[in-house]
Amino acid sequence: RKEVEQDPGPFNVPEGATVAFNCTYSNSASQSFFWYRQDCRKEPKLLMSVYSSGNEDGRFTAQLNRASQYISLLIRDSKLSDSATYLCVVNGRGDYKLSFGAGTTVTVRA
Amino acid sequence: EAQVTQNPRYLITVTGKKLTVTCSQNMNHEYMSWYRQDPGLGLRQIYYSMNVEVTDKGDVPEGYKVSRKEKRNFPLILESPSPNQTSLYFCASSFGASSTDTQYFGPGTRLTVL
Repeated sequence: RKEVEQDPGPFNVPEGATVAFNCTYSNSASQSFFWYRQDCRKEPKLLMSVYSSGNEDGRFTAQLNRASQYISLLIRDSKLSDSATYLCVVNGRGDYKLSFGAGTTVTVRA
Repeated sequence: EAQVTQNPRYLITVTGKKLTVTCSQNMNHEYMSWYRQDPGLGLRQIYYSMNVEVTDKGDVPEGYKVSRKEKRNFPLILESPSPNQTSLYFCASSFGASSTDTQYFGPGTRLTVL
């Protein structure tokens, strides 16, 4: 079983729509969770960390469900510029080893 | 400007011809790592370094070598490249080794081994 699994999508949504997707992780001892954004063939960049209480950054909301071992990302009022692949990242076997999901692709259309 | 640089950005080579991909960061970060990204597999860690002269294997180290002689540089060496090493490679750095530290990625090196 992969350490981090994501629905690859793609999620095709119109501008202004809300889109949400999850990521599941296998290591119940994981402590740190992140969402990174990756534009086509470019380097990943941190979008937001995911805290136990959930957190919001503008139109983006991240949630953590430890009982079911998944994190989620919700994007409200989607913009064309939100089109990207979103990578779920979880700390793995050691505190300094990160495990990356394969990514969820979101395409926002006009 | 704070950044991670990699060179070359694109490389086409042949099986068995040794190559080095350089990585340099100007943020005085202690932790550096190399990843490869393949379709459907996500980023997989090749090697990481927690400080100068301290390196360790990641998840897919076979066929790769690294060195960390200076804090800012972390080159990736392929002694005898093979076609299964065709991939997109990213170097990353962070302030510390804690997984709470933000990873800063280089622009990537697209390697093709014929």
